[in-house]
Amino acid sequence: SQQGEEDPQALSIQEGENATMNCSYKTSINNLQWYRQNSGRGLVHLILIRSNEREKHSGRLRVTLDTSKKSSSLLITASRAADTASYFCATLGSSNTGKLIFGQGTTLQVKP
Amino acid sequence: EPEVTQTPSHQVTQMGQEVILRCVPISNHLYFYWYRQILGQKVEFLVSFYNNEISEKSEIFDDQFSVERPDGSNFTLKIRSTKLEDSAMYFCASSRLAGVQETQYFGPGTRLLVL
Repeated sequence: SQQGEEDPQALSIQEGENATMNCSYKTSINNLQWYRQNSGRGLVHLILIRSNEREKHSGRLRVTLDTSKKSSSLLITASRAADTASYFCATLGSSNTGKLIFGQGTTLQVKP
Repeated sequence: EPEVTQTPSHQVTQMGQEVILRCVPISNHLYFYWYRQILGQKVEFLVSFYNNEISEKSEIFDDQFSVERPDGSNFTLKIRSTKLEDSAMYFCASSRLAGVQETQYFGPGTRLLVL
């Protein structure tokens, strides 16, 4: 089954604007993580939110989690051209093996 | 800052050949993972490894795949007889533990192309 579906699939904004990406998932989770991937490169961890948390901040990033709706959002404020990348949510399930299930990702383009 | 490293960065091989992808996880981490990403698609879990054994594997991780931690620092993924559909970016990751507060750190990936 699909887990971690992001929307929109692609987002294009001007520098200085805010970018919001959403992620939905199907099964129960222990945490939800957001990663960034620059084109053809590795995954960089951005932020982790546990299932008992509702909101978390890190610099210009704000993540919310609504476990009743099985959804999360990532807000990047005051975006910069350097934020141009793909953003993925990943969920950690109930197993204790560390397996992450990734969503399809949102491709963000920030125009200077 | 410690990081996960992977070699090679790119590998081109002929169908049916064996390939070994190498990873050096962060030194005090105990859990190790392989994921793959077919071009344009999402990242898929392959296997997790703890205490010198596989703790979970996906349906993708069939008998053609194996993992090993041969010397206490390296973590390898072997594909015995590559297929065209094995072409993908392979990411190694590690984490200190596997709990709810644990972050997985990813390497830069090995891009595998099977011809």
